[in-house]
Amino acid sequence: QKEVEQNSGPLSVPEGAIASLNCTYSDRGSQSFFWYRQYSGKSPELIMSIYSNGDKEDGRFTAQLNKASQYVSLLIRDSQPSDSATYLCAVNRPQGAQKLVFGQGTRLTINP
Amino acid sequence: DAGVIQSPRHEVTEMGQEVTLRCKPISGHNSLFWYRQTMMRGLELLIYFNNNVPIDDSGMPEDRFSAKMPNASFSTLKIQPSEPRDSAVYFCASSLTGGAGELFFGEGSRLTVL
Repeated sequence: QKEVEQNSGPLSVPEGAIASLNCTYSDRGSQSFFWYRQYSGKSPELIMSIYSNGDKEDGRFTAQLNKASQYVSLLIRDSQPSDSATYLCAVNRPQGAQKLVFGQGTRLTINP
Repeated sequence: DAGVIQSPRHEVTEMGQEVTLRCKPISGHNSLFWYRQTMMRGLELLIYFNNNVPIDDSGMPEDRFSAKMPNASFSTLKIQPSEPRDSAVYFCASSLTGGAGELFFGEGSRLTVL
């Protein structure tokens, strides 16, 4: 089992709709969870972080965390073509040296 | 403020040659990470430094890879000898709070080994 798993997609969503991206992780001790966005040919950039169960909203983005189910999700409301990118889920590995482990990423396309 | 600076942006070399990638982290950040990204394997952590000290190099694929951080403002990743399977984008990232916080990535070094 991979430490962080995502559906690689591609996920295609019409403009204005809600895009839902999912991620599961294997280490129950993980405490920090992140969503990074990566445009084609560019480097990853952080868009959301979440540390406790529940929802965290930032503009059109909502991150959801369920530690019991070891599940993190990202919702993008009112999707725009500029949201088309690969979204990477990252989870910290708490044992010993703390470091982030990334999922494979989900490629999202917003269709005008 | 300047972000993480990597060089070279692109490198094309022949199998067997030595490759050196360079990184300047954001000033004041105490953690530095080297990642490798390929289509097949995604973004993999190679090594990370905290306060210039290597903390975890378990992701370094083999002895051909080595990394150094002689001071807080400079790090290198060296591959010697290079092989075609090393072709990838290599990212350097820095952070104020290690793996528990936000990573700031450089623009990456795209390596092609022929």
